[in-house]
Amino acid sequence: KQEVTQIPAALSVPEGENLVLNCSFTDSAIYNLQWFRQDPGKGLTSLLLIQSSQREQTSGRLNASLDKSSGRSTLYIAASQPGDSATYLCAPVGSGTYKYIFGTGTRLKVLA
Amino acid sequence: EAGVTQSPTHLIKTRGQQATLRCSPISGHTSVYWYQQALGLGLQFLLWYDEGEERNRGNFPPRFSGRQFPNYSSELNVNALELEDSALYLCASNGGILVETQYFGPGTRLLVL
Repeated sequence: KQEVTQIPAALSVPEGENLVLNCSFTDSAIYNLQWFRQDPGKGLTSLLLIQSSQREQTSGRLNASLDKSSGRSTLYIAASQPGDSATYLCAPVGSGTYKYIFGTGTRLKVLA
Repeated sequence: EAGVTQSPTHLIKTRGQQATLRCSPISGHTSVYWYQQALGLGLQFLLWYDEGEERNRGNFPPRFSGRQFPNYSSELNVNALELEDSALYLCASNGGILVETQYFGPGTRLLVL
């Protein structure tokens, strides 16, 4: 059974800092892995998707890496801004099941 | 292009009642996924429908059920509501098996009193 852990659970930083959010998963048989953000009480917004054959993906100030064999993914946020404040979720998609297993998230607060 | 839509946005029920939640996928998407996000808990997979059939089910009791209609919209039914069913229910859609990214709707917040 896939278990997903995200560290840290919460993070509060001043604006402008570079951040690293960690995600680990127990079953490396994944089809892909996706990072989402969730604003309070809202749905999910997709940030980055990494295929199982890829090592990393970049979009603007965001970079996500994937080490499937060790069951780890990292989301790097450069030059953080108050608008980045949200909960960040990682979700590996299981090969054969095609369903997301979500981590408990990292709650980020960027202070102006 | 319209995104995934869900209705109602909020729903208040009492224990023992039934709740029906609705989801309309993005046009052209054939797969619909349902997730539950209870307060203080992570998002948990509930159900996956594709081409009108249930493809996968999470670890939830049978009183959670649903269906997918010919136009690919979907309904989630929760019978015999319990207090712990209070949660945000999210629906997502994509183009089917092996298609990447699921696109999420804004959710239905269910409160059971």
